[in-house]
Parts: sequence; C-alpha cells; structure tokens
Amino acid sequence: GNSVTQMEGPVTLSEEAFLTINCTYTATGYPSLFWYVQYPGEGLQLLLKATKADDKGSNKGFEATYRKETTSFHLEKGSVQVSDSAVYFCALSDNNGNKLVFGAGTILRVKS
Amino acid sequence: DTAVSQTPKYLVTQMGNDKSIKCEQNLGHDTMYWYKQDSKKFLKIMFSYNNKELIINETVPNRFSPKSPDKAHLNLHINSLELGDSAVYFCASSQGGVQFYGYTFGSGTRLTVV
Repeated sequence: GNSVTQMEGPVTLSEEAFLTINCTYTATGYPSLFWYVQYPGEGLQLLLKATKADDKGSNKGFEATYRKETTSFHLEKGSVQVSDSAVYFCALSDNNGNKLVFGAGTILRVKS
Repeated sequence: DTAVSQTPKYLVTQMGNDKSIKCEQNLGHDTMYWYKQDSKKFLKIMFSYNNKELIINETVPNRFSPKSPDKAHLNLHINSLELGDSAVYFCASSQGGVQFYGYTFGSGTRLTVV
C-alpha cells in the first residue's frame, strides 16, 4: 500500500532560520499529498496540499512541491518563528480516495 | 462554531471499565474517521464511516466498537479498557474523496487508563 517516510526529529532551529522537513512517498497510482501541523494540545490542521505532479502548495509562508520524479514533497519555510514550533505530518491519499496515510511526524522546535 | 467537536477532551479511567467518546461534525461531510495517536505521535486509522455505513475497519481489537447514528455523528465505545489503550483519539471528517480536500480533525480526546 501507499506509505510515507519523513525525516526524524526533533528538528531544532533558531528563529529566522530556513526550514526543510523531508518527505518521500511510495505509491501506486497518482496520490494527492498533504502537510498537516499539530500544535501542542490540539488536533491536526491542514497546512497545504498538492493534487498532481509539479503542483506547489503554499500557506503561511510554508511551501512544498509535488515531485513525481523523486517521489518527494519536502516542506520548506524561509524564516521560521517560535510560533511555528509544532509537529508536522506528511500524508498521502490512498488509491481509493478513502483515507489518508500519515508519516510518523517531525517535531520542530524553534528557539528565540 | 467548532467544525468537528469531540467529547470529552480528557478521560481518565480504570482498567476494565467501559467508556465512550463522542464526535460530531457540522460541516455536512459524508465521511467520518477515528484515528489513534500513540505517545510517539504515530497516527493509525481505526474506522471510517460513509453516510452511516462502515467502510474501513482496520485491525483493531473487537473491544472497540464504532457507532454512527447519522452522518454527522460517529461515536467510539471501548469495552474492558486496557493500559495499552491509553492514547489520544482523533475524530476527523471529509467530503468527497480525500484526495481533493483531506480531512478536518477534531481536537482530540486524551484517554488515560490507570
């Protein structure tokens, strides 16, 4: 079945540093790809998505590009803030469109 | 107005007890889900209902039983609670195929079994 691999955390950065969180996937067919963010004590929120190859999703300064040739969907942000500290999940849709499959999550800690 | 609401937010109970978690969505979505998040933040799907019909039933102990009285509600009943059931349980909903819109999640229910 479809699966997602994320870089292990925690990732610790200083404020205003550049962020990359790697995500690669294995899939048959043409899945959609998502990034979700979970702030402490809260549920997951959709951060951005891409539904086909070469699409770029973007939101709140974060962006990720659906790369079919490298089966990747890396999350980037040019300048992180303390308020970005959270757990970030990469996910992809299954072939039936019935569910999302999530990666293990990457903890991001941003220091002031 | 909370889009996907779960109750209770926290639940502490003894081993062997039976408990229920409730979920309601006011988004008009057709499909609802239960996920379990363990202490390492790993998310595992448990069940999914589409318009009150069970469509996903992953390998979950039969002590867990979902019930969907209508498409806006999905409850989770757990019998004979065990220490290993301690986790955060998330409800989510979606409209149409998830490949277009993904999920909307509730804020979670933290279950602690002592």
